[in-house]
Amino acid sequence: DAGVTQSPTHLIKTRGQQVTLRCSPISGHKSVSWYQQVLGQGPQFIFQYYEKEERGRGNFPDRFSARQFPNYSSELNVNALLLGDSALYLCASSPLPGLSTDTQYFGPGTRLTVL
Amino acid sequence: DQQVKQNSPSLSVQEGRISILNCDYTNSMFDYFLWYKKYPAEGPTFLISISSIKDKNEDGRFTVFLNKSAKHLSLHIVPSQPGDSAVYFCAAMERYRGSTLGRLYFGRGTQLTVWP
Repeated sequence: DAGVTQSPTHLIKTRGQQVTLRCSPISGHKSVSWYQQVLGQGPQFIFQYYEKEERGRGNFPDRFSARQFPNYSSELNVNALLLGDSALYLCASSPLPGLSTDTQYFGPGTRLTVL
Repeated sequence: DQQVKQNSPSLSVQEGRISILNCDYTNSMFDYFLWYKKYPAEGPTFLISISSIKDKNEDGRFTVFLNKSAKHLSLHIVPSQPGDSAVYFCAAMERYRGSTLGRLYFGRGTQLTVWP
């Protein structure tokens, strides 16, 4: 079975631009979460979506938004890019969040560089 | 505020010996803990997990121990192999009652190097 897939792999943008990152969860998984990992840090939670509804949001500005589609894939949008948005953006999927054994499986990530 | 802490940024172990990676947490509401392994240019790969109702979980060469009173968990790898060389992240989850949110809090990671 295919794992979590993300596109694109790498992206270079300039300050002020907008970016859209895409994620396809593992087949049968209905929840998608987004994380940001900057160099030297652990991943930081941005959003979680389940059944197309936002279930949680981390401490990120409104420039960050996301949505989930009927096929459970997801997009993360970041507007008005700043240099500090340069990071690895990770998508994770899980079958049903909140279960006693909810394990999130991660994709390979999208490396975003803002110049 | 770092709720999950991995205080050792690196660990070097000889092949065949035991690797012990440590993790501390501050939030007593965390009730599910996971370890991930990460190679460069790849996403984190799930290794092993433990629920707060247990104090040990074993899967092959990997064993996770949980000490709730000390808010401490550790990952033991026996025997260590060169292919185990990677960054290991400890993560914790707080599952809100009546909610379906499962947010992960990560430590900063420990770089494990296993040398022949």
